[in-house]
Amino acid sequence: DTEVTQTPKHLVMGMTNKKSLKCEQHMGHRAMYWYKQKAKKPPELMFVYSYEKLSINESVPSRFSPECPNSSLLNLHLHALQPEDSALYLCASSPPSTGGWEKLFFGSGTQLSVL
Amino acid sequence: AQSVTQLDSQVPVFEEAPVELRCNYSSSVSVYLFWYVQYPNQGLQLLLKYLSGSTLVKGINGFEAEFNKSQTSFHLRKPSVHISDTAEYFCAVSVKGAQKLVFGQGTRLTINP
Repeated sequence: DTEVTQTPKHLVMGMTNKKSLKCEQHMGHRAMYWYKQKAKKPPELMFVYSYEKLSINESVPSRFSPECPNSSLLNLHLHALQPEDSALYLCASSPPSTGGWEKLFFGSGTQLSVL
Repeated sequence: AQSVTQLDSQVPVFEEAPVELRCNYSSSVSVYLFWYVQYPNQGLQLLLKYLSGSTLVKGINGFEAEFNKSQTSFHLRKPSVHISDTAEYFCAVSVKGAQKLVFGQGTRLTINP
């Protein structure tokens, strides 16, 4: 299995809703990432988990809450989002190597719309 | 801090013509360089990467890139493009050993028949 699987593919939510995005990989990668991509813009890093521990938080608002229950799973819990949070949310994973974390494998993303 | 500049936001090319997508970076420390491609409604896929060694790097789908340290550039080239190469292309940089990948603004490659 060489894929990063993200569910759901599309999500529409109201500003008072609570929802979760899910990401799964079975490649044995020990780093997992959440990126946010607005239309016609590059991806922006949100969070990084290394060996199931949060290693990078790019000053993301607390309405986004990441969780890494095990080495294969990564969740992003959403609560009280704003319309400007509408974007494509990409999950990625990477294996460790002698030079560091060299190659990211991306999922297809969850297209989120906040109404 | 590192930064990446992709000099062209859009590049239109005729099918079977050569193409070059330009990328310049800035960093005060040694970096890794990458090119990713994003097809419509999909995630990003790694085309190629430069970590060290030979400055000419070959990737998937017939793409190659050349690392030029003196010009701080990492331009992507393909000698003959196909309709299927239509996509958004992102240049990216990371500090060696770090996990943060910084992307350029992207170049939309459009192939005309």
